[in-house]
Amino acid sequence: EAGVAQSPRYKIIEKRQSVAFWCNPISGHATLYWYQQILGQGPKLLIQFQNNGVVDDSQLPKDRFSAERLKGVDSTLKIQPAKLEDSAVYLCASSLTPDLAKNIQYFGAGTRLSVL
Amino acid sequence: GQSLEQPSEVTAVEGAIVQINCTYQTSGFYGLSWYQQHDGGAPTFLSYNGLDGLEETGRFSSFLSRSDSYGYLLLQELQMKDSASYFCAVRDRRDDKIIFGKGTRLHILP
Repeated sequence: EAGVAQSPRYKIIEKRQSVAFWCNPISGHATLYWYQQILGQGPKLLIQFQNNGVVDDSQLPKDRFSAERLKGVDSTLKIQPAKLEDSAVYLCASSLTPDLAKNIQYFGAGTRLSVL
Repeated sequence: GQSLEQPSEVTAVEGAIVQINCTYQTSGFYGLSWYQQHDGGAPTFLSYNGLDGLEETGRFSSFLSRSDSYGYLLLQELQMKDSASYFCAVRDRRDDKIIFGKGTRLHILP
């Protein structure tokens, strides 16, 4: 079974530029998550999709971040314009169901973003 | 508020046993999960406790006590490959938000 695929693995941009990340979840997984992980900290949920609908985006900085999940499969996360504090690893995860109890999430390797 | 507290670092010797604690401050949650993350790698699921008590999966065990707002991950027969960061995580019942702790970096000495 293929895992969660993310691209690119690394991205370096200058502040005020735009950047986009792509995620392909495990086949059949209805729930998709985007996390931001700053060095030395735990993942912070940015947005959660159930199929192609948004379940939770309360921690997404909507003035500069946007995300979509077309057709309930692949997803893209965009930052426009980027700030220095956006430097982090952006992780995508998926789960088979939005089970509120035992919610096993499968993570991709992440995209490491450096904003200069 | 919602928060999960973990020690930032723990050091242990190869072959030994180590316990990583997680204390939480949230009014209610569905259960406590543990994830392992190697440097530069993806977090991977290790264990879940929905009920109080001990769950065992090979060399790893996890424990939850809701009355004490406390849980831990126990790693036995430590191997060098266990050097990684370990995160506890919950989903809060009030708002269904997923919260991760800041992680515990485990250093293993030969």
